[in-house]
Amino acid sequence: DAGVIQSPRHEVTEMGQEVTLRCKPISGHDYLFWYRQTMMRGLELLIYFNNNVPIDDSGMPEDRFSAKMPNASFSTLKIQPSEPRDSAVYFCASSRDSATNEKLFFGSGTQLSVL
Amino acid sequence: LAKTTQPISMDSYEGQEVNITCSHNNIATNDYITWYQQFPSQGPRFIIQGYKTKVTNEVASLFIPADRKSSTLSLPRVSLSDTAVYYCLVGNNSGYSTLTFGKGTMLLVSP
Repeated sequence: DAGVIQSPRHEVTEMGQEVTLRCKPISGHDYLFWYRQTMMRGLELLIYFNNNVPIDDSGMPEDRFSAKMPNASFSTLKIQPSEPRDSAVYFCASSRDSATNEKLFFGSGTQLSVL
Repeated sequence: LAKTTQPISMDSYEGQEVNITCSHNNIATNDYITWYQQFPSQGPRFIIQGYKTKVTNEVASLFIPADRKSSTLSLPRVSLSDTAVYYCLVGNNSGYSTLTFGKGTMLLVSP
């Protein structure tokens, strides 16, 4: 398996522009997670899905952020309009359903810079 | 919500054993303890998971005392490539929202 695939690897945009980050989870995984990492706040959970359904989006900063999972093999995280404070590394992760906290498999992340 | 406390940073030399301790005083009965490793410009990678006593795999060992209020990740004979951030997480499958990574421990291995 190729693992969790994220695109783009790097994104540079100007304030006010729409940004779309993409993620392909590992086939067969029931859970998909979006995290954001900054030096100040560390790794924060934004939202996670189970079987394509959003379970908890309490970590989404504000209405400018939205996430979708139209099918089991694809998810997007959209920021509209983007702001400089959104600059961070955004990670997508997936895992199987299990009785324990099954281990999360992370993608390589998207480095977002909003100028 | 079990909160974890771990050192911000640690230094070591090649060939030494490194032990990173994590405190989780209010761990719940059905919580598991999981450790992740993160290299620069990469996502975190699962290292090891345990519930009690000792767990060992090809990468590390995890020691959990009987009261489970702390755990120790042990890395035998570290090399330069073990330089990374190590995260201790505590939680269960009742909700991944409680699975917080925090700031982790930055381990620097020197020659």
